[in-house]
Amino acid sequence: GEDVEQSLFLSVREGDSSVINCTYTDSSSTYLYWYKQEPGAGLQLLTYIFSNMDMKQDQRLTVLLNKKDKHLSLRIADTQTGDSAIYFCADAGEGKLIFGQGTTLQVKP
Amino acid sequence: DAGVIQSPRHEVTEMGQEVTLRCKPISGHDYLFWYRQTMMQGLELLVYFNNKAVMDDSGMPKDRFSAKMPNASFSTLKIQPSEPRDSAVYFCASGRDRDTEAFFGQGTRLTVV
Repeated sequence: GEDVEQSLFLSVREGDSSVINCTYTDSSSTYLYWYKQEPGAGLQLLTYIFSNMDMKQDQRLTVLLNKKDKHLSLRIADTQTGDSAIYFCADAGEGKLIFGQGTTLQVKP
Repeated sequence: DAGVIQSPRHEVTEMGQEVTLRCKPISGHDYLFWYRQTMMQGLELLVYFNNKAVMDDSGMPKDRFSAKMPNASFSTLKIQPSEPRDSAVYFCASGRDRDTEAFFGQGTRLTVV
């Protein structure tokens, strides 16, 4: 079946860049997503990329998509303590959203 | 719109009891998803609906779980009988169509003792 995988934990210092990586197996997806979950809350869409794009930039966020390797990454520039959360990549293949395990981002002051 | 509304926010129940989780999707959204989140398994898709019809329930243990969507504005996820391993946060999400953003509720934290 379809699978989405992420590393589980990333720790950075405030002001540094964070890069969260994700691999997926379904190549039919129209979109790939990044969601953010803050403690005690549901997931919120952070950004997404259309599958025929290689890169999308949105303020401090840069999404890179390598379709050949089925690899997606999220770069957060100038990471702030408020960016501490769990980040999920998601693949919308076959009409349903499949999420990775989530990467916990810890930002140290 | 108030967003996706789930109830209750927290539920503590004894093993063997029936538990019903409720969800009101955003008006106009044709897709509704039920997810379960645990530390060990992460976020698992249990079941999803399109226009009130079950599209895929392969992630749902069917011996004890059942999901219904009697109308476009309401869905339930029922567990009977509940077991301690069902303890998790259950999220409901809705979306306009299959390839667009899913909006999540706040979740129901279920504890089965």
